[in-house]
Amino acid sequence: QLQLQESGPGLVRPSETLSLTCSVSGGSIRSNSYFWGWIRQPPGKGLEWIGTVYHSGTTFYNPSLKSRVTISVDTSKNQLSLMLTSVTAADSSVYYCARQFPVVAALGNWFDPWGQGTLVTVSS
Amino acid sequence: SSELTQDPAVSVALGQTVRITCQGDSLRRSYASWYQQKPGQAPVLVIYGKNNRPSGIPDRFSGSMSGSTASFTITGAQAEDEADYYCNSRDSTTNNVFFGGGTKLTVL
Repeated sequence: QLQLQESGPGLVRPSETLSLTCSVSGGSIRSNSYFWGWIRQPPGKGLEWIGTVYHSGTTFYNPSLKSRVTISVDTSKNQLSLMLTSVTAADSSVYYCARQFPVVAALGNWFDPWGQGTLVTVSS
Repeated sequence: SSELTQDPAVSVALGQTVRITCQGDSLRRSYASWYQQKPGQAPVLVIYGKNNRPSGIPDRFSGSMSGSTASFTITGAQAEDEADYYCNSRDSTTNNVFFGGGTKLTVL
């Protein structure tokens, strides 16, 4: 059974870079059948897509975050990573990683499974 | 616009049927998926594709599409269905992904 686990600092200073890792177990990150995504959720608010990565390294980013986001994969470690630069309090959220289907967009989009999420607070 | 719009809150009497809707241009070209989220937990996929349920999801949950509107229906709502529900889609041209703002479902 595929499992995802986010990890990283729970506290980041304003203007610094947020860095998170998602470790994938129970399956390979190299599959041609799906992507991997990062999603965040500010406390008490809704879900926001951050970006998507394919095992080849191809990425798609939320236009509103694109200038600050980098998502990458390390197939040797079966991990994906998220970096968000110049953070502010508005970036305080629970950050989730999830497997994303399908590769063909016309079929729709879904995330399954999700990691448990990790809370990141931006504060001095 | 490719944003997805949901009603913020909906209520249903125990055992009755409830429909949650999601509107957006991207839904004209792509199916919606639906997620259930309970407090303090990660979202769980409940409907994807045309009307597919992952393993372990009750068959009282169903989905449908019409034009730019996706609907999620619970037939015979149970107390444990009380949660936030989010719709999701992807723009087939740009691969941008969208979530609806979420609907808080209360089971009375």
